[in-house]
Amino acid sequence: KNQVEQSPQSLIILEGKNCTLQCNYTVSPFSNLRWYKQDTGRGPVSLTIMTFSENTKSNGRYTATLDADTKQSSLHITASQLSDSASYICVVRLLLNTDKLIFGTGTRLQVFP
Amino acid sequence: NAGVTQTPKFQVLKTGQSMTLQCAQDMNHNSMYWYRQDPGMGLRLIYYSASEGTTDKGEVPNGYNVSRLNKREFSLRLESAAPSQTSVYFCASSPLLGGRYEQYFGPGTRLTVT
Repeated sequence: KNQVEQSPQSLIILEGKNCTLQCNYTVSPFSNLRWYKQDTGRGPVSLTIMTFSENTKSNGRYTATLDADTKQSSLHITASQLSDSASYICVVRLLLNTDKLIFGTGTRLQVFP
Repeated sequence: NAGVTQTPKFQVLKTGQSMTLQCAQDMNHNSMYWYRQDPGMGLRLIYYSASEGTTDKGEVPNGYNVSRLNKREFSLRLESAAPSQTSVYFCASSPLLGGRYEQYFGPGTRLTVT
């Protein structure tokens, strides 16, 4: 069964600290993996997208890694800011189906001053 | 550019009532999508439209109908609302279907069916 699992479900950190969110997937065949940020009451916004051959991608203070062999990805946030408080969703696209995205349930991050 | 817009933002319906959720994009994208987001679950695809004039079922199409009115607009209709359709609905668009094309999401419609 194609699944995307994220951990932890929720995380609380202090402003300025770093954190790492995890994503494990069993999706096959794999096309690409995306990380989205979803602020409360808003739609998801893309942070990064990685294909099979890419093992790291950065977007400012956000760095995503991908290990296609172990089917794991992580999102590292450096020097967190209050505005980083949001849900972070890992999404995997199937290779064969024209537009099948498998969404994780997200990690809820709260950054406190 | 407004991106993807959705109306209404909030809606309360009684069981059996009907309504249409509206979505429009101003990015000249070919493909559009409707998702629902429920607590503890990932977003699930209801219907999508690869291009103007075409629509296809997604993962959870039962109880919904869609219309791709033109290239800009894609509406979602609930003919007879049920409490199980209480959810947050997101519309999204992308330049084309599949591949690395980014999907851009609207702000969502929070629907409650009592």
